[in-house]
Amino acid sequence: SQKIEQNSEALNIQEGKTATLTCNYTNYSPAYLQWYRQDPGRGPVFLLLIRENEKEKRKERLKVTFDTTLKQSLFHITASQPADSATYLCALLSNDYKLSFGAGTTVTVRA
Amino acid sequence: GAGVSQSPSNKVTEKGKDVELRCDPISGHTALYWYRQSLGQGLEFLIYFQGNSAPDKSGLPSDRFSAERTGGSVSTLTIQRTQQEDSAVYLCASSLVRSSYNSPLHFGNGTRLTVT
Repeated sequence: SQKIEQNSEALNIQEGKTATLTCNYTNYSPAYLQWYRQDPGRGPVFLLLIRENEKEKRKERLKVTFDTTLKQSLFHITASQPADSATYLCALLSNDYKLSFGAGTTVTVRA
Repeated sequence: GAGVSQSPSNKVTEKGKDVELRCDPISGHTALYWYRQSLGQGLEFLIYFQGNSAPDKSGLPSDRFSAERTGGSVSTLTIQRTQQEDSAVYLCASSLVRSSYNSPLHFGNGTRLTVT
C-alpha cells in the first residue's frame, strides 16, 4: 500500500539553527511533492512544490530536496525563527489524483 | 472572501444526531476536497469534486457520510447518526483545477466536530 512517513518526533531547535525534516514514501511514483505548513487551529498553507526532475528548490529561508531514488524529500528551514514554529506536512499525488498527506512534523524554535 | 470559508468553526453534537458542515471555496476554483484530521494524525481524504464530474467518494468511511456540491460552488458534508469516533477536524480545500503542478490546495480553517 502507499505510505508517506515523516519524522514522528517533534523537533526542538535553537533560534538561528537549521531544522531538517524528512519525508519518506513507498509505492508512489510522484511527478512532484508538496510541503505545507499548519498552525494550531488553522488549515494547512502551501509552501513549496518540487518536481521529480528538480533536485533542489529554494524559497527565502526554505530549501527542499527530492531524491526519487531514495524516495525521500528533505525540508530545511535555515536561520530559524520562533515564528517558524508549526507543523510541516509533506504531500504526494496518488495514482488516482488524490493528494495524500503525511502525519506532519512539529517544529518548535526556541528564542 | 479571498479564502476558503468553513462553517461552523466548532460543532458539538450528541451521539446519534445528524450534522451538516459547510464549505465555501475560492471563487473560480473547480476542484473541492474534504479531509478529516484526528488529533495528532495526518489528513485523511474523504471526497473530491471536480467540475461537473461525478465525485470521487472513495475516502468516505461509511454510508453515514455524504457530500454534495451545488452549482459547482458551495459544498455540504453531512454525517448522519454521528458516533464518537466521528469527532475530528473536518477540512475543506479548493484548487483551480484537479490537483496538479500549478494548483496547490487552499484550505479553510476547518470545522471541529465533537460528538458527546
